[in-house]
Amino acid sequence: EIVLTQSPGTLSLSPGERATLSCRASQSVSSGNLAWYQSKPGQAPRLIIYGASSRATGIPDRFSGSGSGTDFTLTISRLEPEDFAVYYCQQYGSSPTFGGGTKVEIK
Amino acid sequence: QVQLVESGGGVVQPGRSLRLSCAASGFIFNTYAIHWVRQAPGKGLEWVALISYDGSNKYYADSVKGRFTFSRDNSKNTVYLQMNGLRAEDTAVYYCARSRGYLGPFDFWGQGTLVTVSS
Repeated sequence: EIVLTQSPGTLSLSPGERATLSCRASQSVSSGNLAWYQSKPGQAPRLIIYGASSRATGIPDRFSGSGSGTDFTLTISRLEPEDFAVYYCQQYGSSPTFGGGTKVEIK
Repeated sequence: QVQLVESGGGVVQPGRSLRLSCAASGFIFNTYAIHWVRQAPGKGLEWVALISYDGSNKYYADSVKGRFTFSRDNSKNTVYLQMNGLRAEDTAVYYCARSRGYLGPFDFWGQGTLVTVSS
């Protein structure tokens, strides 16, 4: 099983600031099969990034993903009020696993 | 529009059974794999099970293997998760989600249904 470790656990930022979230895999994620999801209380999780760097349908371009192998990053260039949420990385190249999540909270 | 609607959650005693359903609409159901993902209170997401587009292949997380059974009825655009031998640690919100192919990103999720295992 591929274990995903996300850091930091919590990111305290102000609207307009840049957010950088990290996801590290215990072994190489094949073909960049890495996704990022946004989760808010009482709502369905939403796909943000797939294939490590492709934005899902309807996702604004302030969200970007990068990385390969075992190290991946989600960047939110300028935080909007609706971006404060928990973000999970997921590898889907083998039996799917999720990271523990990074909470982006308002400072 | 695309919809996945889970139902069947509730409070159940340890050792008992429960069946969850996930009804789909707004897309060609029999071309997508469907997954169950759960989230225990205050915890992160955990993948539970996968069923292929035609129901011929099923995969389970080790934590539920042998206790949970995943099935689908493409004539009803619905999947089912039969959960037997429930334990306190199965308490969670259960989401269904779709993916193109067995191993693809989960591009749409339902709102979830809460399962509470407690005596």
